[in-house]
Amino acid sequence: NAGVTQTPKFRVLKTGQSMTLLCAQDMNHEYMYWYRQDPGMGLRLIHYSVGEGTTAKGEVPDGYNVSRLKKQNFLLGLESAAPSQTSVYFCASGYRERQYQPQHFGDGTRLSIL
Amino acid sequence: AQSVTQLDSQVPVFEEAPVELRCNYSSSVSVYLFWYVQYPNQGLQLLLKYLSGSTLVKGINGFEAEFNKSQTSFHLRKPSVHISDTAEYFCAVSKVAGGSYIPTFGRGTSLIVHP
Repeated sequence: NAGVTQTPKFRVLKTGQSMTLLCAQDMNHEYMYWYRQDPGMGLRLIHYSVGEGTTAKGEVPDGYNVSRLKKQNFLLGLESAAPSQTSVYFCASGYRERQYQPQHFGDGTRLSIL
Repeated sequence: AQSVTQLDSQVPVFEEAPVELRCNYSSSVSVYLFWYVQYPNQGLQLLLKYLSGSTLVKGINGFEAEFNKSQTSFHLRKPSVHISDTAEYFCAVSKVAGGSYIPTFGRGTSLIVHP
């Protein structure tokens, strides 16, 4: 997917370890989102950002933290990973003028917590 | 609160047959409605959207959807499917929350097109 890059694509962690997922977009989008996708659950919003330096909680924020220090980057952190956080994580971005929809999605980060 | 219900978790269909993927939403206020498609090991792509105006919206790849306010539905249709349409389809609804529009996704419908 053009414009939204997620790093890494795969990762295996042990319970209690920490890590940061990076999302970068080069479309000058104001809005950025982090979702998790689990079988049969669709996409659930973890956190989102409406601009540089601002973040807000979504539907399932517990156990995650985020930062938006630069407009093009949105970081998702797991301070102490738990098996329940095994999931596929998607980042998305969108324009302020079309804030009602994420327009571009990354290809996902597949995270396994053992 | 708003919610999105995709009534079928899986829809098998033969190639060149018509298909309808069902989506119902619950909201007491005006909403924006979307359908996204996800191919294996990829992110989501926007298929089509309803913001206002004509209740029949056309999207990419020959898909269309009809907004029915009285039935709170936004079903996705295609008159003739191809093998390449095999994918996961997500319905999403957006309404204002805390000054921003935040979309809520349904659980997805897996469309399986058989030759």
